Amino acid sequence: AQSVAQPEDQVNVAEGNPLTVKCTYSVSGNPYLFWYVQYPNRGLQFLLKYITGDNLVKGSYGFEAEFNKSQTSFHLKKPSALVSDSALYFCAVSAASGGSYIPTFGRGTSLIVHP
Amino acid sequence: EAQVTQNPRYLITVTGKKLTVTCSQNMNHEYMSWYRQDPGLGLRQIYYSMNVEVTDKGDVPEGYKVSRKEKRNFPLILESPSPNQTSLYFCASSPRSVDPYNEQFFGPGTRLTVL
Repeated sequence: AQSVAQPEDQVNVAEGNPLTVKCTYSVSGNPYLFWYVQYPNRGLQFLLKYITGDNLVKGSYGFEAEFNKSQTSFHLKKPSALVSDSALYFCAVSAASGGSYIPTFGRGTSLIVHP
Repeated sequence: EAQVTQNPRYLITVTGKKLTVTCSQNMNHEYMSWYRQDPGLGLRQIYYSMNVEVTDKGDVPEGYKVSRKEKRNFPLILESPSPNQTSLYFCASSPRSVDPYNEQFFGPGTRLTVL
C-alpha cells in the first residue's frame, strides 16, 4: 500500500529566508507526487506535481519541489519565503489501486512565515 | 469558471437528524471523492466514485453514504449523524482515475457540527 509521511507538523521560517517542507513516500511502482496548499477557510489548491523526467519541478507562487528517488523524498522548497505563504501544505502520492489511481495524502505541515 | 461547489458551507445539526451535503463539478470529471479533515489527522478519504453508478469505500466510510446518479453530482449523506462526525468535509474531483498524473480539484469545504 502507498503512504506519504510529512515528518514535521509545523515549520517556522523568517520572511525572505528559504523554506523547505519535507515529504517522503512509499509506493510500489512509479510514484506520481503532488503538493497542495490550503489557505485558512479555503479548500486545497494544487501547487505542483512530479510525473517523470526532471527531478526539479516548478509550480505556482514560486514554489518548487525536488524528487529524490533514492531517498524516496519529494520536498517542497521556495528560495525566499513570504508571509503570505503561511498555510497548510499537503503532500500526496497517486499510486495504483486495481485499475485506478487513488490519491493518498500526508497529514499536512503548517508553514508559518514570520515577518 | 471551472469549479467544485459544495453546499452548505456551514451546518449545525443535532444527533440523528439526517442530512445531505451536496457536491457538484462543472468540469465533466469522471472521478469524485469525499474527504474529512480533522486536526492532527490530515485528510482522510470517506468514499470515492470512478464514474456514474460506480462508488467505493475509502478509509473512513462508516456512518456515511454516497450516490453518483449523474456525472456532475456526488452528494454525501449522513443518515444518522453523531458528534464524532463533526468535521470539515471536502469534495474533490479529477478528470479520470485511470490516469495517475491528474491533480485533484477541491471544493471550498463544509464545516459540520453535530450536537
